[in-house]
Amino acid sequence: DAKTTQPTSMDCAEGRAANLPCNHSTISGNEYVYWYRQIHSQGPQYIIHGLKNNETNEMASLIITEDRKSSTLILPHATLRDTAVYYCIVSPDGIYTGKLIFGQGTTLQVKP
Amino acid sequence: NAGVTQTPKFQVLKTGQSMTLQCAQDMNHEYMSWYRQDPGMGLRLIHYSVGAGITDQGEVPNGYNVSRSTTEDFPLRLLSAAPSQTSVYFCASSSRDRAPYGYTFGSGTRLTVV
Repeated sequence: DAKTTQPTSMDCAEGRAANLPCNHSTISGNEYVYWYRQIHSQGPQYIIHGLKNNETNEMASLIITEDRKSSTLILPHATLRDTAVYYCIVSPDGIYTGKLIFGQGTTLQVKP
Repeated sequence: NAGVTQTPKFQVLKTGQSMTLQCAQDMNHEYMSWYRQDPGMGLRLIHYSVGAGITDQGEVPNGYNVSRSTTEDFPLRLLSAAPSQTSVYFCASSSRDRAPYGYTFGSGTRLTVV
């Protein structure tokens, strides 16, 4: 299974873009990159996913490098409510397999 | 549409007791999973299911049993509770064909074993 490496913690000023990096240098061709976040003690929340192209939805943008060895989650205008632990996950067998393996994630602190 | 419902929300057990954590989803998702999250740690996969009648082990299956007799329900059984099983347990579901994409998580069951 491909491993991911994320910084342990990051700070971001409210209203600014938050850019969360993730390294996944051993990713294979059919593996997707998922991003989830966990606010306080709630259940994780799906944010976005992608294979090779950049993706955008109402929550965030996902930029995947051409060699697919790293990606960046972008929250365009961070708010205090975006303070959470952000998990970058590489799905072992594709999108929907039942085996979503979480790492330690990045704790994002959005400051006023 | 309630999503993923977990019961109970809180539970205290004595060492050696058994119990079942309930998980139900009303989205007709074929995939369901159980995770545990210890304080300050990420989520670890316990068991998962790709459909009714099919289950498989995750990263930390010891001490837990699961079964999937219906699409909607995926109960997690603690056979003989130990203090090391004190954790927050999350259930999740997903589907290959149906929105929302990705996994939908329940709100968790906070279990303390004394």
